Amino acid sequence: GQQLNQSPQSMFIQEGEDVSMNCTSSSIFNTWLWYKQDPGEGPVLLIALYKAGELTSNGRLTAQFGITRKDSFLNISASIPSDVGIYFCAGLNSNAGGTSYGKLTFGQGTILTVHP
Amino acid sequence: ETGVTQTPRHLVMGMTNKKSLKCEQHLGHNAMYWYKQSAKKPLELMFVYSLEERVENNSVPSRFSPECPNSSHLFLHLHTLQPEDSALYLCASSQGYKTSGGALLFFGEGSRLTVL
Repeated sequence: GQQLNQSPQSMFIQEGEDVSMNCTSSSIFNTWLWYKQDPGEGPVLLIALYKAGELTSNGRLTAQFGITRKDSFLNISASIPSDVGIYFCAGLNSNAGGTSYGKLTFGQGTILTVHP
Repeated sequence: ETGVTQTPRHLVMGMTNKKSLKCEQHLGHNAMYWYKQSAKKPLELMFVYSLEERVENNSVPSRFSPECPNSSHLFLHLHTLQPEDSALYLCASSQGYKTSGGALLFFGEGSRLTVL
C-alpha cells in the first residue's frame, strides 16, 4: 500500500526559531494536507494543497506541494510555545481508477517541542 | 456545539466487557470515519460510512462493530477486546468521500481506550 515518510520524527527547538518538516512518497498524490494534533486533542487541519508547485500560507505556517507531486513541505516561522504538538502530513489520490483512489494516507507524524 | 463530539473521552474495560464509543457531528457532513491512533504509528483507518452506508472496512477484527444510524451519529461497539487494542480512537467527518472534499477531515477529540 501507499506510505508516507515524514521527517524528522521529532524536533526540539527554542522559541523564536523557524521549523521545517517534510513528507515524501513513492506514489503521486493530487491533494496534500497538513494537520496538527495538540496534546489530548484530535488533529486539526492546517493547510490543504491542490496543485503541484502550490505554495500556501496560514499565518506563520507555509506549506508547499512538490513539483513531482510526491512530496510536501511545512515551514513554521518564529515558533511559539503553543506550536507544540504532532504535525501530520496526509496525501489523497482523488483521480478515479487504481487501488489508491480515494484513500487518504497519513504520515507517522513529527513531534514538535518548543522550549521557552 | 463543537463540530465533532466523542464520548466517552476515556474508557477502561476488561477483555470480557461490552462497551460502545459514540460520535456526533454537527457540521452537516455526509461521511464519517473511525480511525485508530497508536503511539508512533500513522493514523489507521478502520471504517468509513458515506451517506450512512459502510463503504470501507479496513480488515478490522469483528470484535469492533460500527453502526451509523443516521448521517450525524456514528458508534463503535466493542466486545471481547485485547490489551493491544488499547489506543486513541478518533472519529472524523467530511463533506464527500473519495473527492478532494473527503480529504478535509474534521476530527473529534478522541476516546482513549484502555483494555485490561
